Amino acid sequence: TQLLEQSPQFLSIQEGENLTVYCNSSSVFSSLQWYRQEPGEGPVLLVTVVTGGEVKKLKRLTFQFGDARKDSSLHITAAQPGDTGLYLCAGAKNNFNKFYFGSGTKLNVKP
Amino acid sequence: GAGVSQSPRYKVAKRGQDVALRCDPISGHVSLFWYQQALGQGPEFLTYFQNEAQLDKSGLPSDRFFAERPEGSVSTLKIQRTQQEDSAVYLCASSSRTDYSGANVLTFGAGSRLTVL
Repeated sequence: TQLLEQSPQFLSIQEGENLTVYCNSSSVFSSLQWYRQEPGEGPVLLVTVVTGGEVKKLKRLTFQFGDARKDSSLHITAAQPGDTGLYLCAGAKNNFNKFYFGSGTKLNVKP
Repeated sequence: GAGVSQSPRYKVAKRGQDVALRCDPISGHVSLFWYQQALGQGPEFLTYFQNEAQLDKSGLPSDRFFAERPEGSVSTLKIQRTQQEDSAVYLCASSSRTDYSGANVLTFGAGSRLTVL
């Protein structure tokens, strides 16, 4: 049983479209991270959010941490084929050395 | 090296065989983590080292799993008497710093894919 639920599980869109993926839990997290993983590779850290309500922008990617620090979202504007990959959220509770990962959203951006 | 290196990249084992998976972390990284990623799932925490000390092994699924980092650099994850349910990608990550929240900033290797027949 995973502590973090991600939705949707799969998403296939055309280049140029916008999308949002979600990461939800009934638990409170001290810190939440988003990763992107490509086939045959390890996850690569995109961002860390720690404050309830925090919004971080990374070029076309916008990350938000829920006010209660139980959920997060990732919004991509004008998706490009290079955004294709598995997006994983990972939360840490009091133990900053142990991250709980969601099962991911597999994004495919078609040219 | 420039990144976290794991070997072998692929391992096929017959049920009941022992396997050893190696992780070379980024030079100087104090913290080292092992995660298990089953097909279609997110990574699950196995164990954590700070230098040579194994500070958390709460995620190891059974006593068939054993990890060590004797000199505080290279780590080995050993699985004894492998079972089919052990088939997964085993990811190693290292970290030299924490971010402003105190959370470790992890750099992952590409993983070792274990298939148990």
